[in-house]
Amino acid sequence: SQELEQSPQSLIVQEGKNLTINCTSSKTLYGLYWYKQKYGEGLIFLMMLQKGGEEKSHEKITAKLDEKKQQSSLHITASQPSHAGIYLCGADGNTGKLIFGQGTTLQVKP
Amino acid sequence: DVKVTQSSRYLVKRTGEKVFLECVQDMDHENMFWYRQDPGLGLRLIYFSYDVKMKEKGDIPEGYSVSREKKERFSLILESASTNQTSMYLCASFRGSGYGYTFGSGTRLTVV
Repeated sequence: SQELEQSPQSLIVQEGKNLTINCTSSKTLYGLYWYKQKYGEGLIFLMMLQKGGEEKSHEKITAKLDEKKQQSSLHITASQPSHAGIYLCGADGNTGKLIFGQGTTLQVKP
Repeated sequence: DVKVTQSSRYLVKRTGEKVFLECVQDMDHENMFWYRQDPGLGLRLIYFSYDVKMKEKGDIPEGYSVSREKKERFSLILESASTNQTSMYLCASFRGSGYGYTFGSGTRLTVV
């Protein structure tokens, strides 16, 4: 079965700094989803990537999909306290069953 | 916007009780899912459904059952709640390939 590994598991950055979160799959990625979760709440959909080389941006968050490496990266530029939370990558392996990585907890220090 | 509504944000139940967690989506999606989220274990799929009266086991179905009598409603049932089922439960709805999964706000269940 497919597994997703996220790195790092946790991250503390100073406000204004850039950061990158990686998500590596054990199998071919057909669709890769990025979600953000505030503590104790549901998941907020950020972006979906479907094709190798695809890159999407939303405000200061950019996600890329490297199909050959079976990896996706999420990059935040000029981080703000509002970016704090848990970031999760998910993949459905073309099965319709969405599985998740363990999550990356981000803290942004003012 | 698609809305997925979970009936309770917080729930406290006693060991041995039968517990119903309700999830309703308002966009006519065929696919619905139940996950539990635990520290260090991430989100794990309990059950999912592709259509009314259809159900498929996920990775951790033991101790749970589901019901989908109507397209918009997917219920998770804990037949006899146990303390190891204390967790955050998340419901999701999915339109199909090319679209994101939409999650509810979650139900934090504590079994005492």
